[in-house]
Amino acid sequence: EIVMTQSPATLSVSPGERAILSCRASQSISTNLAWYQQKPGQAPRLLIYAASTRATGIPARFSGSGSGTEFTLTISSLQSEDFAVYFCHQYSNWPPRNTFGQGTKLEIK
Amino acid sequence: QVQLVQSGAEVRKPGASVKVSCKTSGYTFSDYYMHWVRQAPGQGLEWMGWINPHSGDTNYAQKFQGRVTLTRDKSIDTAYMELSRLGSDDTAVYYCAKEAGYSNSYNHWGQGTLVTVSS
Repeated sequence: EIVMTQSPATLSVSPGERAILSCRASQSISTNLAWYQQKPGQAPRLLIYAASTRATGIPARFSGSGSGTEFTLTISSLQSEDFAVYFCHQYSNWPPRNTFGQGTKLEIK
Repeated sequence: QVQLVQSGAEVRKPGASVKVSCKTSGYTFSDYYMHWVRQAPGQGLEWMGWINPHSGDTNYAQKFQGRVTLTRDKSIDTAYMELSRLGSDDTAVYYCAKEAGYSNSYNHWGQGTLVTVSS
């Protein structure tokens, strides 16, 4: 099983500043990686797929990068609505089993 | 618009089974794999498996092999997840999630179904 490790577990950032979240895969997954945002009591929302492509309707302040085993989600100029939990998700074709990172909680500093 | 509407909350005793439904609309049901993901209280997301609605083929996470069964009814555009031999650690919110098509990420999710396992 491919293990996804996110860091940090909690990130405290002030509104208007930039947040950088990391995700590492235990083996290469090419760019088969997505990022989701989850707010309390809600289902996750797709932000980024294929490591760097924004999903429909996602603001340009969200950007993703990386390939292989190291990935980053950057949120420039944080807005109040961005404080949430973020998960990375690998969906490599082989082995055909998806896994998620444990999440990064982005909180207001 | 695409909608995935799940069945309501369930309470089960240890050892019992539960079946959750995911009624879809707004797209061609057979064209996109459906995945199931669960989230224990205060925890992260855990992938359980997928079903190909067209063929009925399934693929399960090793952890749930032998306990989970994914099925679908194409006549009513609905997917199902059945989990047997429930334990207290199966208490979680269960989500269905539709693959995006342009990638194997999930662009639409159900609202979640809380399953509580308690004696």
